[in-house]
Amino acid sequence: AQSVTQLGSHVSVSEGALVLLRCNYSSSVPPYLFWYVQYPNQGLQLLLKYTSAATLVKGINGFEAEFKKSETSFHLTKPSAHMSDAAEYFCAVTPYNTDKLIFGTGTRLQVFP
Amino acid sequence: KAGVTQTPRYLIKTRGQQVTLSCSPISGHRSVSWYQQTPGQGLQFLFEYFSETQRNKGNFPGRFSGRQFSNSRSEMNVSTLELGDSALYLCASSPGGTADADTQYFGPGTRLTVL
Repeated sequence: AQSVTQLGSHVSVSEGALVLLRCNYSSSVPPYLFWYVQYPNQGLQLLLKYTSAATLVKGINGFEAEFKKSETSFHLTKPSAHMSDAAEYFCAVTPYNTDKLIFGTGTRLQVFP
Repeated sequence: KAGVTQTPRYLIKTRGQQVTLSCSPISGHRSVSWYQQTPGQGLQFLFEYFSETQRNKGNFPGRFSGRQFSNSRSEMNVSTLELGDSALYLCASSPGGTADADTQYFGPGTRLTVL
């Protein structure tokens, strides 16, 4: 069964610093991969989606992720953190022929001034 | 377009009761999925409906059920509530019917508290 692993349940960065949130997937076949963000007391918002069209995927709010098959990774990055980026981030995978999302355990990002 | 709406936003029930949650998808979307979010188990898939038919089901007991109406609106029902059912229940909609994975758009969720 496909799954994703998010390394680090909490990540803290200073405002203006690089954001790196890690996600590894388990699949012998390149899957569909997603990053979602959840702000307090809200639902999930899509940041970006990988569907094999390009290995570097650009999303909203300055985030991007690179699909690396050799490392089975799909890490999320942002060059410069902003206070408003503080939230919980979820990596997710969708098996073929289904829209079902399988989520990682999430990473809470804190941004300090 | 209006986003996914869920009602009610907050709900308090007692053990043994049953509850029905409602979800209205984005106009034109035919697929609706439900997820349960708890601090201990994280985000877990409950089920997906497409054109009034359950297309996928997660590993939840039969107390959890759902349905979808002809206008794509969906409801989920939990019978004989247990304390462990306290969670944020999220609904997501997508266009559905394509071979590629559709992007799912989430509603704000219904926060269920079981006392």
